[in-house]
Amino acid sequence: DAKTTQPTSMDCAEGRAANLPCNHSTISGNEYVYWYRQIHSQGPQYIIHGLKNNETNEMASLIITEDRKSSTLILPHATLRDTAVYYCIVRVAMTTDSWGKFQFGAGTQVVVTP
Amino acid sequence: DAGVTQSPTHLIKTRGQQVTLRCSPKSGHDTVSWYQQALGQGPQFIFQYYEEEERQRGNFPDRFSGHQFPNYSSELNVNALLLGDSALYLCASSLGRRNTEAFFGQGTRLTVV
Repeated sequence: DAKTTQPTSMDCAEGRAANLPCNHSTISGNEYVYWYRQIHSQGPQYIIHGLKNNETNEMASLIITEDRKSSTLILPHATLRDTAVYYCIVRVAMTTDSWGKFQFGAGTQVVVTP
Repeated sequence: DAGVTQSPTHLIKTRGQQVTLRCSPKSGHDTVSWYQQALGQGPQFIFQYYEEEERQRGNFPDRFSGHQFPNYSSELNVNALLLGDSALYLCASSLGRRNTEAFFGQGTRLTVV
């Protein structure tokens, strides 16, 4: 599985957009990009995922570069409750030969300040 | 709709003992995966069950074993506990071979003394 590189930490002002980068330069064509977040001592929470197109849901937007070697998670209006560790994960597609486990890295600690 | 539920929430065991952790997947999900998260680190994949069979396994010793029942619930068993097994154990459920999200439970905090 491809590995990801994320900044160790980021600060963001409440009400502003938070842009979280992720590098996955060795990603393969059959690998998806997933984002999860984990608030202290809770289970990881799914945010969004995509293969090659940009995606948006009620929580966030995912922008994947055309070469798919990097992506950005955008939280449009950060709140204090968005303070968490954010994980960018590259996951092999589920097929008849693959079961697509999630390989977590260290993630980015995001702190949203008033 | 209850999400993924895990029991117990906290557990203290003595070195050398055995422990069983339990997981009920989200309604409609048939695949269960287990992860170990040491303090300050990201979750590490232990194994995954589908149709009551272990489908893939991470880099964990045979002391870690599991089971999936016909109702899709699952157990994680750890034998001969070591101090280093102290961690948050997370269960995640998903739907078969779909490229969709997995939902995680709140975890079981295991402390080995």
